[in-house]
Amino acid sequence: KAGVTQTPRYLIKTRGQQVTLSCSPISGHRSVSWYQQTPGQGLQFLFEYFSETQRNKGNFPGRFSGRQFSNSRSEMNVSTLELGDSALYLCASSLGESSNEQFFGPGTRLTVL
Amino acid sequence: GQNIDQPTEMTATEGAIVQINCTYQTSGFNGLFWYQQHAGEAPTFLSYNVLDGLEEKGRFSSFLSRSKGYSYLLLKELQMKDSASYLCAVRDQTQAGTALIFGKGTTLSVSS
Repeated sequence: KAGVTQTPRYLIKTRGQQVTLSCSPISGHRSVSWYQQTPGQGLQFLFEYFSETQRNKGNFPGRFSGRQFSNSRSEMNVSTLELGDSALYLCASSLGESSNEQFFGPGTRLTVL
Repeated sequence: GQNIDQPTEMTATEGAIVQINCTYQTSGFNGLFWYQQHAGEAPTFLSYNVLDGLEEKGRFSSFLSRSKGYSYLLLKELQMKDSASYLCAVRDQTQAGTALIFGKGTTLSVSS
């Protein structure tokens, strides 16, 4: 069974640009959550999608957005990039409603110059 | 507010036992998780507690006391490969879905 995949794995952008990251969950999983990981703040929850609907949102500015497609694949977008957006962006999938275990993908390492 | 505290770093030797503590304050509670993350890799699930008590899984055990807002992860018979960051996370009952609130992680270094 294939795990969670994220593309691209590495990305370098400059301030002011926008970026789109992609996540494909484990087959059959309907929930996708996104997290930002930085050395100073650790893992912070961005948002969660379930059946194409945003079910939960963390405390991030509106520059961070996401969506989920009918095949459960998800994308997150960051507009007007800032230096502080440099981080590892992790996607996690789970079965859905009351799943206890989230499976994380390898992450996308975003560097903003 | 929501707050999860765990020690930043711990060291131990091969074969020893180490206990990593986690205290939490959340507006609601719907389960506590422990994840392991090796440098440069994704977090992997270790354990889940929703009721008070001890959950044992091989060399790893996790304990929860909801009244004290406290959990610990116990690692026995330490091996070099256990050197990693250990993340404590809580699922907030007031929020729908599976969103987790993570602590900043405890970096464990195991030496020979």
